[in-house]
Amino acid sequence: GENVEQHPSTLSVQEGDSAVIKCTYSDSASNYFPWYKQELGKGPQLIIDIRSNVGEKKDQRIAVTLNKTAKHFSLHITETQPEDSAVYFCAAEAGYALNFGKGTSLLVTP
Amino acid sequence: DTEVTQTPKHLVMGMTNKKSLKCEQHMGHRAMYWYKQKAKKPPELMFVYSYEKLSINESVPSRFSPECPNSSLLNLHLHALQPEDSALYLCASSHGTGGGYDAFFGPGTRLTVL
Repeated sequence: GENVEQHPSTLSVQEGDSAVIKCTYSDSASNYFPWYKQELGKGPQLIIDIRSNVGEKKDQRIAVTLNKTAKHFSLHITETQPEDSAVYFCAAEAGYALNFGKGTSLLVTP
Repeated sequence: DTEVTQTPKHLVMGMTNKKSLKCEQHMGHRAMYWYKQKAKKPPELMFVYSYEKLSINESVPSRFSPECPNSSLLNLHLHALQPEDSALYLCASSHGTGGGYDAFFGPGTRLTVL
């Protein structure tokens, strides 16, 4: 099935700095790439997604970029805040459901 | 309403018990999913229901039995589980399957099998 690799596995940044998480996928047929944020004790929350007909999408402090040729996509968080601390999962459409990356644990220190 | 609800939040059961997990959504979504998530791991797909019919079973052991009574409800019946089945069980829903529909997750049921 679809293989999604995600890096880094852990990321620590100071409040106000930017954070970047990168993912690669293997199935060139995938056209939909969502990002989820999971806080401790909660279910994953969809925060942004991108489809293959666009290269970049922004929502306030969050942006995603997609390079279909290279099969990679990235999440960019600017002006990070302590409440951004969580585990972030990238995912790629895989037939009926989603294949997830292994997750990035983001820690934003005040 | 963009909420998926799950009950119970926590469940402790013995290996001989029978229990059920419940999931509900009122977004009019026609696809519903069960995922299993172990600590520090991504969610793993278990089952997919599309228009109340089981369309995907990811080789899940028969001690897990899904049921979709109607388009808003999804159950997961548990029987004779093993300690390694302890995990967070997540329900999700989306408008459809395939083609990149946004999937919304519930908060999960934290299951402990003794």
